[in-house]
Amino acid sequence: DTAVSQTPKYLVTQMGNDKSIKCEQNLGHDTMYWYKQDSKKFLKIMFSYNNKELIINETVPNRFSPKSPDKAHLNLHINSLELGDSAVYFCASSQDLGAGSNYGYTFGSGTRLTVV
Amino acid sequence: AQSVTQLDSHVSVSEGTPVLLRCNYSSSYSPSLFWYVQHPNKGLQLLLKYTSAATLVKGINGFEAEFKKSETSFHLTKPSAHMSDAAEYFCVVGGNYQLIWGAGTKLIIKP
Repeated sequence: DTAVSQTPKYLVTQMGNDKSIKCEQNLGHDTMYWYKQDSKKFLKIMFSYNNKELIINETVPNRFSPKSPDKAHLNLHINSLELGDSAVYFCASSQDLGAGSNYGYTFGSGTRLTVV
Repeated sequence: AQSVTQLDSHVSVSEGTPVLLRCNYSSSYSPSLFWYVQHPNKGLQLLLKYTSAATLVKGINGFEAEFKKSETSFHLTKPSAHMSDAAEYFCVVGGNYQLIWGAGTKLIIKP
């Protein structure tokens, strides 16, 4: 009965590969997010989707492409992985756009991506 | 625009002594403010939130924070630290359709 679930939890891959991280929420929320946490623990928003529509698309390389097949899922696909992509990626959700700013997000447990 | 500054990158206290993690914010309107905690190699958990109700907010695990508009602060406190409190703590302000995160404060508990 996990609220926001991400898979896989750990991902080790070689430079140049393409990989995907999946995220699902069973809270009935309209809005989902992807965050990147670097080695210094700094959290940076990458994307947000509201009811399958892209809302926030921060300055992120084109190699990163989010896909939202329905409002309960927001997957992150990364092409041509680079060493600098190594980080922890967090998925999150909120009831709606306004609720996120006012009441916070529910986070997944994170995916630790290591590019070698 | 909203921003948040956590004044200490590391705070070290002895077990059983009080904890104070400092946070200042900047907002052009009455903000929503949050504290999240991240234990080592774990996800992000909401500790407490201020959404313009009572200025003293109680959270989980004995933590509380006080919203002080005149000082633009939202410091996190706990009367008595426990070893299990060792973690990274993030102060967060609600922005324009997103949350604006502080850089984090690492809380170290000495036995």
